[in-house]
Amino acid sequence: KNEVEQSPQNLTAQEGEFITINCSYSVGISALHWLQQHPGGGIVSLFMLSSGKKKHGRLIATINIQEKHSSLHITASHPRDSAVYICAAYSNTGNQFYFGTGTSLTVIP
Amino acid sequence: DAGVIQSPRHEVTEMGQEVTLRCKPISGHNSLFWYRQTMMRGLELLIYFNNNVPIDDSGMPEDRFSAKMPNASFSTLKIQPSEPRDSAVYFCASSLGPSRVYNEQFFGPGTRLTVL
Repeated sequence: KNEVEQSPQNLTAQEGEFITINCSYSVGISALHWLQQHPGGGIVSLFMLSSGKKKHGRLIATINIQEKHSSLHITASHPRDSAVYICAAYSNTGNQFYFGTGTSLTVIP
Repeated sequence: DAGVIQSPRHEVTEMGQEVTLRCKPISGHNSLFWYRQTMMRGLELLIYFNNNVPIDDSGMPEDRFSAKMPNASFSTLKIQPSEPRDSAVYFCASSLGPSRVYNEQFFGPGTRLTVL
């Protein structure tokens, strides 16, 4: 059983489309992180959320603590957004990170 | 700023050999993390240091793995003896601030380890 589930696993979109990646978790958490892993392997931290919503450029992340769900949205998608997006939930009981398996996004020009 | 520096970037070794991975965190950051990423298990947090002290090593897979941080600018992850199942990409990350939860982490480029 995975404590963190992401959907979809793979996503292909046309440039300009609005994209949503979902993350559901089964444990109580203190915070949730969204990471972006580029095709070359490098990892960048996008957001840390403990409640509500955060926005950075074309990226928006939301979290609903009661529903144990977070979403990452990309507006006006671009080929450079092609990457694997990983959510990581920090459990407030076990004091550990649970990682999703990632969503592989490909944006076609 | 140079970012988090890891060396080597690639390592190929034979089963049974000792492997040492190195990490230099961003200057001024006082938390350091070692992660492992495999196709089967995804990303896993191995160990977390704050102010050079190991705070949580519950993710370290077994006694063959050890990590040290002798000073604020250097950390090592050692595997002795290495096994083929240790083949993975190992990432080091650092953050400013003591919280592993609430502080943004900056990742190094990773070391791709292959154990034959």
